[in-house]
Amino acid sequence: QVHLVQSGAEVKKPGASMKVSCKTSGYTFTTYGITWVRQAPGQGLEWMGWINTYSGNTNYAQKFQGRLTMTTDTATTTAYMELRSLGFDDTAVYYCARDIGGFAGDAFDIWGQGTMVTVSS
Amino acid sequence: SYVVTQPPSVSVAPGKTATITCGGHNIGSKGVHWYQQKPGQAPVLVISYDSDRPSGIPERFSGSNSGNTATLTISRVEAGDEADYYCQVWNSGTDHVVFGGGTKLTVL
Repeated sequence: QVHLVQSGAEVKKPGASMKVSCKTSGYTFTTYGITWVRQAPGQGLEWMGWINTYSGNTNYAQKFQGRLTMTTDTATTTAYMELRSLGFDDTAVYYCARDIGGFAGDAFDIWGQGTMVTVSS
Repeated sequence: SYVVTQPPSVSVAPGKTATITCGGHNIGSKGVHWYQQKPGQAPVLVISYDSDRPSGIPERFSGSNSGNTATLTISRVEAGDEADYYCQVWNSGTDHVVFGGGTKLTVL
């Protein structure tokens, strides 16, 4: 069975960095891409970016360019998302999700459980 | 940038049909995906590429897409269908994913 299991909740200071992991299992890791989506409290879904797990190529949403890095570790079939220079408006639940066909614009069929990140002074 | 618009809320009585729209310029030329999200849970894919229903999703869920509007239809609505629903499209102009703002479905 396919699973995406994310790291636990974090509390960060403004200006700090966060790094969330997404451990995958149950499928061939490099066949499907991983996207990251966040959801601020009471708000909608916001796409952050996507990583091709085979090539390592990334595609980031414009608003995160320069402070977002997505990586993978194929040995452990884990994806990572690092966001730097955190502000209060980065407080959100962060999700990883698998695309259904290896394309950034595909549907996302399997989601992690979400990681709550709170930015607080 | 490409904008997709959803109604903030839709209400429907049990057993009736709910229709949730996703509007965008020439959205009929794009593949639209739909997600259901219940409080405190991760989103669940209910329709991909306009009308494909993933395994495990009830046949009551269907989708269509034409012109400037994509539609998610839920037939014979049940109390358990109460959730937020999001549409998603690919903006080929920017190579970015775009989500609609979400629609809260209330079952009366």
